[in-house]
Amino acid sequence: KNQVEQSPQSLIILEGKNCTLQCNYTVSPFSNLRWYKQDTGRGPVSLTIMTFSENTKSNGRYTATLDADTKQSSLHITASQLSDSASYICVVIGNAGNNRKLIWGLGTSLAVNP
Amino acid sequence: DGGITQSPKYLFRKEGQNVTLSCEQNLNHDAMYWYRQDPGQGLRLIYYSQIVNDFQKGDIAEGYSVSREKKESFPLTVTSAQKNPTAFYLCASSITTGADEQYFGPGTRLTVT
Repeated sequence: KNQVEQSPQSLIILEGKNCTLQCNYTVSPFSNLRWYKQDTGRGPVSLTIMTFSENTKSNGRYTATLDADTKQSSLHITASQLSDSASYICVVIGNAGNNRKLIWGLGTSLAVNP
Repeated sequence: DGGITQSPKYLFRKEGQNVTLSCEQNLNHDAMYWYRQDPGQGLRLIYYSQIVNDFQKGDIAEGYSVSREKKESFPLTVTSAQKNPTAFYLCASSITTGADEQYFGPGTRLTVT
């Protein structure tokens, strides 16, 4: 069964600290993996898109990694800010011929406290 | 939120009434999607449309209906047949279906009592 599991479920850190969020998946065959940020009561916004051949991709203070062999991805947030408080959702896109399916994780809820 | 708008932001209805949620995009995207988000669950696909006048059921289409008469618009009707309609509804669009990035609207929170 295609699944995406994220950990931790929730996380509280102090402003200025770094943190790493994890995403493990069993989706096969694999097309690409995305990280979205969703503020409370808003729609998700894309942070990064990782293809099979990419190991690391950065977007400002956000750095995503992908290990396609172990089917693991991480999202590292550097020097956290209060505005980073949000849910971070990992999405894996399966590649089944012409029918690509998105498998959504449950997200990690991050709270950045002053 | 890009070029996707959803209205209204909050919607309240009595049980047994049909209600239509609006979704409009000005990104010239062919594909549009409706998702439902509930606490403790990932986004679940209700319906999607690859092109005007075409739409397909997603994973949880029962109790919902859609239309795609214009490229810019993809309204979702929550019918009285939907057992648990109270949820946060998200509309998205992408250039085409497949691996293209999806852009989301701000969402509509529907409460049915």
